[in-house]
Amino acid sequence: KAGVTQTPRYLIKTRGQQVTLSCSPISGHRSVSWYQQTPGQGLQFLFEYFSETQRNKGNFPGRFSGRQFSNSRSEMNVSTLELGDSALYLCASSRWGGNEQFFGPGTRLTVL
Amino acid sequence: AQTVTQSQPEMSVQEAETVTLSCTYDTSENNYYLFWYKQPPSRQMILVIRQEAYKQQNATENRFSVNFQKAAKSFSLKISDSQLGDTAMYFCAFMKAPRGGGSQGNLIFGKGTKLSVKP
Repeated sequence: KAGVTQTPRYLIKTRGQQVTLSCSPISGHRSVSWYQQTPGQGLQFLFEYFSETQRNKGNFPGRFSGRQFSNSRSEMNVSTLELGDSALYLCASSRWGGNEQFFGPGTRLTVL
Repeated sequence: AQTVTQSQPEMSVQEAETVTLSCTYDTSENNYYLFWYKQPPSRQMILVIRQEAYKQQNATENRFSVNFQKAAKSFSLKISDSQLGDTAMYFCAFMKAPRGGGSQGNLIFGKGTKLSVKP
């Protein structure tokens, strides 16, 4: 069974731009969560989607948004990029009712 | 709010020896899960071991075992017979048990412990 995939793996943007990251969960997994990983703040929860609806949200500004499609694939968008948005963005999927989250390799975003 | 604390930013151990990584957490919840995740250098995060709070028996997975002390809110990871491939960042994580409403719950992570296994 294929694991969680994330595209692109690396991204370089400049301040003020926007970016869209994509995540494809493990087949059969319908819940997708996003996390931001930085050296200073560590791993922080962004949001969780299930059945195309955001179910849970972390403490991030409205510039961070996401969505989920009917095939459970998810995207997250960051608008008006700031230098502090440079991070590894991790996506994790889980089967409904399961407590284990399976992580993708991440997208490393660099904002210049 | 829940917090997870890992007090050891870095540790090292000789190959074949045993090492214990510490984790404490703070919560008022009674039903929750605890996890140890491993993130090798430039590789993706994988689950090492999990513990359900309602289970008194400590979880074990091959060379990995935990010491779960619910009253003390402590959840340490013991790695026996350390191998070079165990070199990684180790994250302790907490998750509230889902209460319905559509949310599976989110992981709350500690800052991590960087473990180096030396030959």
